[in-house]
Amino acid sequence: ELKVEQNPLFLSMQEGKNYTIYCNYSTTSDRLYWYRQDPGKSLESLFVLLSNGAVKQEGRLMASLDTKARLSTLHITAAVHDLSATYFCAEGFSGNTPLVFGKGTRLSVIA
Amino acid sequence: DTEVTQTPKHLVMGMTNKKSLKCEQHMGHRAMYWYKQKAKKPPELMFVYSYEKLSINESVPSRFSPECPNSSLLNLHLHALQPEDSALYLCASSQEGQRDQPQHFGDGTRLSIL
Repeated sequence: ELKVEQNPLFLSMQEGKNYTIYCNYSTTSDRLYWYRQDPGKSLESLFVLLSNGAVKQEGRLMASLDTKARLSTLHITAAVHDLSATYFCAEGFSGNTPLVFGKGTRLSVIA
Repeated sequence: DTEVTQTPKHLVMGMTNKKSLKCEQHMGHRAMYWYKQKAKKPPELMFVYSYEKLSINESVPSRFSPECPNSSLLNLHLHALQPEDSALYLCASSQEGQRDQPQHFGDGTRLSIL
């Protein structure tokens, strides 16, 4: 069974602090995605990670991929309130196939 | 603005009504998807169309009927829905071979069944 596990599922952070969200996936997929979702909104693509050791950064967010450990991380640096949202990781496969999503991490950044 | 357009944005319907959700993309993607998302849960796959043919049906009840009239359009026909079908319905598209591109999601239709 395909399974993607994220942790933590809930995260309350103080502004200015750093934290990491972890995503373990169970199969040898060839791509890993991170999405952001604001309440009542759609999913916004953040990162696409394709190869072992891949690292991508956008603003205060940095994502990495370790295919040997089947682990991806999303690191948050100096959190700000605007980062409050739910973050999903999802594994993808070749061909026109659906994504397998983790349960999501609900992030709340507080002053 | 998203490149996948869904209409309507909100829909309230009774259990005996018939309605349709529409999705359109002009990115040349040949795969289109319907996902259902309940509050505080990840999206759940309902259907996949690949090259306008239904390739995956995740055991969705027959009161949901998908249709892909052409490569840019995807419909979801609704009939005799139940209150538990209330959810956010998301359409997405992707293209095989574009490994560095994500699935693109529409803004969704928020469906409420009375």
